[in-house]
Amino acid sequence: KDQVFQPSTVASSEGAVVEIFCNHSVSNAYNFFWYLHFPGCAPRLLVKGSKPSQQGRYNMTYERFSSSLLILQVREADAAVYYCACGAAGNKLTFGGGTRVLVKP
Amino acid sequence: EPEVTQTPSHQVTQMGQEVILRCVPISNHLYFYWYRQILGQKVEFLVSFYNNEISEKSEIFDDQFSVERPDGSNFTLKIRSTKLEDSAMYFCASTSTGGDYGYTFGSGTRLTVV
Repeated sequence: KDQVFQPSTVASSEGAVVEIFCNHSVSNAYNFFWYLHFPGCAPRLLVKGSKPSQQGRYNMTYERFSSSLLILQVREADAAVYYCACGAAGNKLTFGGGTRVLVKP
Repeated sequence: EPEVTQTPSHQVTQMGQEVILRCVPISNHLYFYWYRQILGQKVEFLVSFYNNEISEKSEIFDDQFSVERPDGSNFTLKIRSTKLEDSAMYFCASTSTGGDYGYTFGSGTRLTVV
């Protein structure tokens, strides 16, 4: 069955690096997409691809069946739900269950 | 920055009633999607739409569901006879390619069936 796995919660302290791990069993999927979601708002694409990538404070590692999102110098305002999704060219995205990031001041 | 717009943000309906959820995708996008998220559960794929027809649909998208792009700008999801278990957040998304660049999502419509 096509599935994407990620932890339900990750807790960290302000200023630290937060790492969220994701792996999948989605047939033919080779791209990862990491979204940030604040309740009531549109999920926002942070970083994506089929190779390691960085966008600002967001780093994405890449292996064929797994990826990690690293949030550098995490702030209280980064507390939200982060979704990992996988897809292949032309195909739909399959989402993980989301990881709630908690940030202690 | 271009946005995907969804209306209404919240809809309450009685079981058995028809609902139409509306979305205005980004204007030069060609691929359109509906996803839903039942409270506390995963974001689930419902349907993808390209070139004025459904390109893929999930098991959830049964005969009670339909999609339409009536006028070249709106993209609608209709649920013919709502059930309690249809209560969820429904997200519309669009992309200019087949997903290689990720989707742009709307902020969702929360559907509550009572």
